[in-house]
Amino acid sequence: QVQLVESGGGVVQPGRSLRLSCVASGFIFNTYGMHWVRQTPGKGLEWVAVISYDGARKYYVDSVKGRFTISRDNSRNTLYLQMDSLRPEDTALYYCAKDLIRASSWFIFDYWGQGTLVTVSS
Amino acid sequence: EIVLTQSPGTLSLSPGERATLSCRASQSISSNYLAWYQQKPGQAPRFLIYGASSRATGIPDRFSGSGSGTDFTLTISRVEPEDFAVYYCQQYGALPPITFGQGTRLDIK
Repeated sequence: QVQLVESGGGVVQPGRSLRLSCVASGFIFNTYGMHWVRQTPGKGLEWVAVISYDGARKYYVDSVKGRFTISRDNSRNTLYLQMDSLRPEDTALYYCAKDLIRASSWFIFDYWGQGTLVTVSS
Repeated sequence: EIVLTQSPGTLSLSPGERATLSCRASQSISSNYLAWYQQKPGQAPRFLIYGASSRATGIPDRFSGSGSGTDFTLTISRVEPEDFAVYYCQQYGALPPITFGQGTRLDIK
């Protein structure tokens, strides 16, 4: 069965960095686009970033462009989110999610991890 | 950016009743690229519907989606105790960014 396990969250001061990881199993990782989606009580669900199955294409929501970097290591079945210059408004539960359609990115999330909490506060 | 507005905010029903949840888009969603998710407290969202009306693998047939253009509906024909949760719609027709609705809470009456 598909499993996505996130890690790397924590409490960090504004302006600092954090790297999230998501280890995938139960499917052929290198054939699916992968996403990061975050959730807060105030703003609800917000898509953050996507990376294509081969890592060649990456897209971000405007609010994180230039600060966050999505990447993947297909040899380790692992997805990453490098978060730099963190702001209080980045505080959220971060989920990794698998795209539904193989070898494409349709932005339909058929499996989600349990999330890792990021808190940006001084 | 397409804004999705879900209504009602909270729906209180008894088990066995029919649930009708609405999702309205600020502009037409191309090719009915709309999905629905269910989220229970402390859990990740669960994928239910895509393409406005296609059920995901393993989703019971009491869940159905309909609609086109700017108006979409998720219907639960007879609500089961395990269906009480928050439901989100999401559009993927105009991206990036894709957007989610704010959610409808289905509560036990």
